Amino acid sequence: ETGVTQSPTHLIKTRGQQVTLRCSSQSGHNTVSWYQQALGQGPQFIFQYYREEENGRGNFPPRFSGLQFPNYSSELNVNALELDDSALYLCASSSGTGRRASYEQYFGPGTRLTVT
Amino acid sequence: AQSVTQPDIHITVSEGASLELRCNYSYGATPYLFWYVQSPGQGLQLLLKYFSGDTLVQGIKGFEAEFKRSQSSFNLRKPSVHWSDAAEYFCAARSGSARQLTFGSGTQLTVLP
Repeated sequence: ETGVTQSPTHLIKTRGQQVTLRCSSQSGHNTVSWYQQALGQGPQFIFQYYREEENGRGNFPPRFSGLQFPNYSSELNVNALELDDSALYLCASSSGTGRRASYEQYFGPGTRLTVT
Repeated sequence: AQSVTQPDIHITVSEGASLELRCNYSYGATPYLFWYVQSPGQGLQLLLKYFSGDTLVQGIKGFEAEFKRSQSSFNLRKPSVHWSDAAEYFCAARSGSARQLTFGSGTQLTVLP
């Protein structure tokens, strides 16, 4: 069984640029959730994708967007980067959604984004 | 609003001592509850989970947690801490129909030799 993988591991961008982060879900999982973890804080939910559609969103602006592909892998895109976007971005995979969701989410190692 | 609180920002214990990390939740109904561990620069690893039934749940690495409905708590325990347990620990919750996990702010564990 393959775990959740993310790329790249680290990334440095300049304010105003755009970035794309990638996630491959665990084998057999069809739901991907993205979280932002600022330094010294717990992860904050950005959004979830299920069957290639956004399926719930946290309190993040529209410049945070995503995609899910037929193989259930996913991308997180952030436009017009701001200094406060510097964080660890975590991807989690699970099965199903809502009441049919599997109980637990499995996390990847994260992508460390630094915005200068 | 639904929330998870970890009252202790930082805890220091000696190797071999017992450990208890506190977690309180505020939800309308009992949520699903989880403990995750995060080593420096790493993602989150699931230690254990509670859905229903027996209020004492066993997890990996010798950890256990006890659910107490009357106290809205889900505290993590380990009888004897090892130096490799030094990490940050997050309590998380999810209501039955929610998409996302709600995390506490974490407890940093330092283990003294």
